[in-house]
Amino acid sequence: NAGVTQTPKFQVLKTGQSMTLQCAQDMNHNSMYWYRQDPGMGLRLIYYSASEGTTDKGEVPNGYNVSRLNKREFSLRLESAAPSQTSVYFCASRLGVSYEQYFGPGTRLTVT
Amino acid sequence: GQQLNQSPQSMFIQEGEDVSMNCTSSSIFNTWLWYKQDPGEGPVLLIALYKAGELTSNGRLTAQFGITRKDSFLNISASIPSDVGIYFCAGCYGGSQGNLIFGKGTKLSVKP
Repeated sequence: NAGVTQTPKFQVLKTGQSMTLQCAQDMNHNSMYWYRQDPGMGLRLIYYSASEGTTDKGEVPNGYNVSRLNKREFSLRLESAAPSQTSVYFCASRLGVSYEQYFGPGTRLTVT
Repeated sequence: GQQLNQSPQSMFIQEGEDVSMNCTSSSIFNTWLWYKQDPGEGPVLLIALYKAGELTSNGRLTAQFGITRKDSFLNISASIPSDVGIYFCAGCYGGSQGNLIFGKGTKLSVKP
């Protein structure tokens, strides 16, 4: 079991470029989440998917879109990257019978 | 968005010392979770608490769900060097979404 995997691990973008962050889980979890982590801010929820086929906005969704491709995969897209989106992005998943979320290793994104 | 008040923000430990940290909220939670994050890694779940007053241990770690349901505490006994990292609390209101609200973290470092 790999758990939650994320690609890429590091990425540098120029302002205005687009990219997609990939996340996959092999634990047969129903719910998946995208967070961003900034220094001194803790983790903030960007988008989540309670189940396959559904997505909803979290606390900081502006500038992002998501796709729940299937039960395993949940991607995060930046259409036009801005320096304010420089952050570490974490994907997490949850089975559904408990509230325990399990995190991936993160993607460190720098927008110049 | 709501955030939890986690304290202390940082602390220095000497090997063998006991460590205490806590989280408080203005809202009632149904679940409290404690995570640890090592540098460059994703948060790892340490302990999950589901009932007011519950006391749960995981090795040298003990966490409690406050009886008011607005706070939680984490204690580490006889600290060792590998305990350094950032500890996050997270509260959950419950429901089908299961979204977590995170504290800003307590950074544990080794006393020079």
